[in-house]
Amino acid sequence: QVQLVQSGTEVKKPGASVKVSCKTAGYTFTTYGINWVRQAPGQGLEWMGWISAYNGHTIYAQKVQGRGTMTRDTSTSTVYMELRNLRSDDTAVYYCARDGINLGFDYWGQGILVTVSS
Amino acid sequence: DIVMTQSPDSLAVSLGERATINCKSGQSVLYSSNNESYLAWYQQKPGQPPKLLIYWASTRQFGVPDRFSGSGSGTDFTLTITSLQAEDVAVYYCQQYYSTPYTFGQGTKLEIK
Repeated sequence: QVQLVQSGTEVKKPGASVKVSCKTAGYTFTTYGINWVRQAPGQGLEWMGWISAYNGHTIYAQKVQGRGTMTRDTSTSTVYMELRNLRSDDTAVYYCARDGINLGFDYWGQGILVTVSS
Repeated sequence: DIVMTQSPDSLAVSLGERATINCKSGQSVLYSSNNESYLAWYQQKPGQPPKLLIYWASTRQFGVPDRFSGSGSGTDFTLTITSLQAEDVAVYYCQQYYSTPYTFGQGTKLEIK
């Protein structure tokens, strides 16, 4: 079955970087893109960007542009998101979600809590 | 950016009754080439990731109970839960995936009255 398994909780200081992973299984990796969505504590969902698993092409939300980088490793069917120069308002649960190709985000990872605090 | 606005922000409904959540997009999300609205509904329970319920505004994802239904086209959409069950307590989000940046509504918290 389709699975997206994310790496564990991260605690970082302001100005640091974090790189989180999303390992996929149960489908042909290169067929589907992956989105990253974050959710600040008690808040709603915010789309951060998308990466094509096929060719690595990326689209970023303006808020992430310049601070975030999404990459993928086809040999391990894993997608990564790095966020640099972290601020306290980057504290959130970060989810990866498979792009269902015009059918919404059909499978989600369990989420990673990233806490930014001095 | 396409702004998604849900109403109400919260809703309390008795078990077995109907719950209705509305979502309005700031511009049409209807894709003319296939006449489908690129609008999805998600359910999120505490401590869990969102779960896709509905895509193309009205198509239920496989495995989703048929008490969940979506309707609407263009800019105005509705999620209806007929005969509310206790396990339906959650926050519900609409999302447009017509154009990037993909955007979500602010969420509607559904509780039991």
